[in-house]
Amino acid sequence: NAGVTQTPKFRVLKTGQSMTLLCAQDMNHEYMYWYRQDPGMGLRLIHYSVGEGTTAKGEVPDGYNVSRLKKQNFLLGLESAAPSQTSVYFCASRPAGSSYEQYFGPGTRLTVT
Amino acid sequence: TQLLEQSPQFLSIQEGENLTVYCNSSSVFSSLQWYRQEPGEGPVLLVTVVTGGEVKKLKRLTFQFGDARKDSSLHITAAQPGDTGLYLCAGGLATGGFKTIFGAGTRLFVKA
Repeated sequence: NAGVTQTPKFRVLKTGQSMTLLCAQDMNHEYMYWYRQDPGMGLRLIHYSVGEGTTAKGEVPDGYNVSRLKKQNFLLGLESAAPSQTSVYFCASRPAGSSYEQYFGPGTRLTVT
Repeated sequence: TQLLEQSPQFLSIQEGENLTVYCNSSSVFSSLQWYRQEPGEGPVLLVTVVTGGEVKKLKRLTFQFGDARKDSSLHITAAQPGDTGLYLCAGGLATGGFKTIFGAGTRLFVKA
């Protein structure tokens, strides 16, 4: 039982390049989330999904797209990376229901030069 | 604005000291979680509090949920260097929804 895994762990991009971050969970959770974490700003929600085939925008969705084609996977895409997207990205999942307990992946550190 | 305000933002103490971290909001939460995050890792859930006035203990850590379910505190007794990390409070609003509201975190450093 690996929980929530993220790939890659580190990545350096040049401005304008694209990439996809992959999140996978083996807990059969309905809900999945993508956050970015920047110094002094806490965790900010980018996009989230409440089930396979559904996605919704969070607080800071601009410049990102997501897809949830399979229940266990949640992909975060950057179509044209910008230096402002330099951050640590975390994926999280939780089961449907009233509990808000989330399970986080180890993070992806992205640098855009 | 739905905010969870944490204080202090940063705390540096000696081993053996006690400390309290606060999490406050003007909104009512159905539940509130505390997470601990170590450098290079994702947040790890410590505890969930659900009932107003609830107190939970986890070894030297004591968590309390305010009576009105708008605030919470984390008290650490006799802090140890292993307690060093970023502590995050988070909650789900009583009005429902899929999102969790996170505080900005309290960075704790315990010196040996």
